[in-house]
Amino acid sequence: GAGVSQSPSNKVTEKGKDVELRCDPISGHTALYWYRQRLGQGLEFLIYFQGNSAPDKSGLPSDRFSAERTGESVSTLTIQRTQQEDSAVYLCASSLAPGQGAGGYTFGSGTRLTVV
Amino acid sequence: GENVEQHPSTLSVQEGDSAVIKCTYSDSASNYFPWYKQELGKRPQLIIDIRSNVGEKKDQRIAVTLNKTAKHFSLHITETQPEDSAVYFCAASLGGGSNYKLTFGKGTLLTVNP
Repeated sequence: GAGVSQSPSNKVTEKGKDVELRCDPISGHTALYWYRQRLGQGLEFLIYFQGNSAPDKSGLPSDRFSAERTGESVSTLTIQRTQQEDSAVYLCASSLAPGQGAGGYTFGSGTRLTVV
Repeated sequence: GENVEQHPSTLSVQEGDSAVIKCTYSDSASNYFPWYKQELGKRPQLIIDIRSNVGEKKDQRIAVTLNKTAKHFSLHITETQPEDSAVYFCAASLGGGSNYKLTFGKGTLLTVNP
């Protein structure tokens, strides 16, 4: 597609429920990233996928968070047993592989998650 | 891991003035430094980036400078306009290696007053 697509754009869930967020990267972008942005805060790294390499999960805040990616396409971020502190905008980005050119990310519009 | 500090957290200027945002990084191996602009309620967008083999890069009213020795880099916006009002994020990474993770600063809210 023309850009990075994320769905849903907004999600309100009850505390304790599981949620699944989806990211569809730009075609041809082998690298995919998830970041979390709390209200008025910076971008907090969560996880990074690069081709078929093992993902870098060093930013996941707890074992309630997990993410998968099938090949070089869609990724899903799952948050189990959601807590109020999980409320944030979850941003996905994709980029060309290192060495393939400009290293800038293209971000999606994000999923605004509200846990009530 | 990498740590990026960004200052100031807020910056207010008059239209036409210049604005400067500064960032420092901790990992001397970092070699790629992008800047992102995020307007209210919108996604961050890359506005300029610099690699460690150059000291300065310009794109119209925007410029970025890099001092590898001091491990700091800055964004300069000249002749500011109200549409420049946004949150600006700096970032650093080991671009070109197997790990392309970006570490972001906490952002600077720039307000350009007409």
